[in-house]
Amino acid sequence: QITLKESGPTLVKPTQTLTLTCSFSGFSLTTTGVGVGWIRQPPGKALEWLALIYWDDDRRYSPSLKSRLTITQDTSKNQVVLTMTNMDPVDTATYYCTHRGENGDYSWFDPWGQGTLVTVSS
Amino acid sequence: DIQMTQSPSSLSASVGDRVTITCRASQSISNYLNWYHQKPGKAPKLLIYAASSLQSGVPSRFSGSGSGTDFTLTISSLQPEDFATYYCQQSYSTPPTFGGGTKVQIK
Repeated sequence: QITLKESGPTLVKPTQTLTLTCSFSGFSLTTTGVGVGWIRQPPGKALEWLALIYWDDDRRYSPSLKSRLTITQDTSKNQVVLTMTNMDPVDTATYYCTHRGENGDYSWFDPWGQGTLVTVSS
Repeated sequence: DIQMTQSPSSLSASVGDRVTITCRASQSISNYLNWYHQKPGKAPKLLIYAASSLQSGVPSRFSGSGSGTDFTLTISSLQPEDFATYYCQQSYSTPPTFGGGTKVQIK
């Protein structure tokens, strides 16, 4: 059974850097095809993909946020870390980490962690 | 980026109703289309991948169809646990993008 869980601060100040950790079990990020992604959802709004790291350490970022995001993995700990710099109140959202599944050319996000609400406020 | 547009943004329906939600891509995405639903306060859950393949464990009342730019999610007989927000997502190209969501409410 695959599980993921996000951890990190619930409140950050504007201009600060946010660091979120995704701890997972039930799969290995060294297995071909596997990936872990981060997706966020502002209160009452839709989902926005942020970043994805693959088994081969290939990293992909949202073009609009690329300059502010870094995604890394620690395979020994089964963790993926997302950092986002220069936080702003508009970044207030629930942040989810998710397992990237695939079948041939097709991919999807499943399952998801429970999410962690991050509020940006002074 | 590929834009995903869902319609309607919300609908009201009764238990037992047949419900259809549509998703349109700004360019052809073949059948690289996934559907999720999300209950209040919970994480999204995958329902359908590759436009029409039912994820393991998902009830058969859910079905998906479409190819190219136009896609449909159908719930054949709405159940109380189906009242939620539904999202489509394209996996054709990076960045993966989501539709704005369709909220299914109780009539």
